[in-house]
Amino acid sequence: DAGVIQSPRHEVTEMGQEVTLRCKPISGHDYLFWYRQTMMRGLELLIYFNNNVPIDDSGMPEDRFSAKMPNASFSTLKIQPSEPRDSAVYFCASSLTNRGNTEAFFGQGTRLTVV
Amino acid sequence: LAKITQPISMDSYEGQEVNITCSHNNIATNDYITWYQQFPSQGPRFIIQGYKTKVTNEVASLFIPADRKSSTLSLPRVSLSDTAVYYCLVGGDNQGGKLIFGQGTELSVKP
Repeated sequence: DAGVIQSPRHEVTEMGQEVTLRCKPISGHDYLFWYRQTMMRGLELLIYFNNNVPIDDSGMPEDRFSAKMPNASFSTLKIQPSEPRDSAVYFCASSLTNRGNTEAFFGQGTRLTVV
Repeated sequence: LAKITQPISMDSYEGQEVNITCSHNNIATNDYITWYQQFPSQGPRFIIQGYKTKVTNEVASLFIPADRKSSTLSLPRVSLSDTAVYYCLVGGDNQGGKLIFGQGTELSVKP
């Protein structure tokens, strides 16, 4: 398996524009996570899915953020409208189970810059 | 959730053994201890996990005392390429799979 695949790797957009980040988890993994990383706040869990269903979205910062998982092999994180403070690296991760001894696999991330 | 404390940064030299200790005083009975490594511009990567005593793999060793209130990640003979941020995570089945990262330990290996 190629691992968790995220696209695009880099995104530069203007304030107010809609941004869509994409993730393809590892085949067979039932759990998918979206994280945001900044220098100030570190790695923050935004939302996670189990079998395509959102389980916990308490980390989603505002209504401007939304995430979907239409099928087991694809998820999107959308920001509309984007703001400069949304600039960060966004990571997607997947894992086989939700057990405490489960390993999570991370993608390479999408570096988002909102100007 | 277990409260985790680990040093913010550490310095070392090539060839030395590095030990990073993580404190997790309120660890629950069914919690596992997991360490991830993150290089600049990359996502975190799993390196080792344990429940009690000692675990060793090709990358590191993890020492967990009997009371499990702390754990120590040991990196033998570090090289420049071990410069990274190391995260200690504590979690169990009752968290439903949530992986919560703290601030991590930024390890800098110098020549």
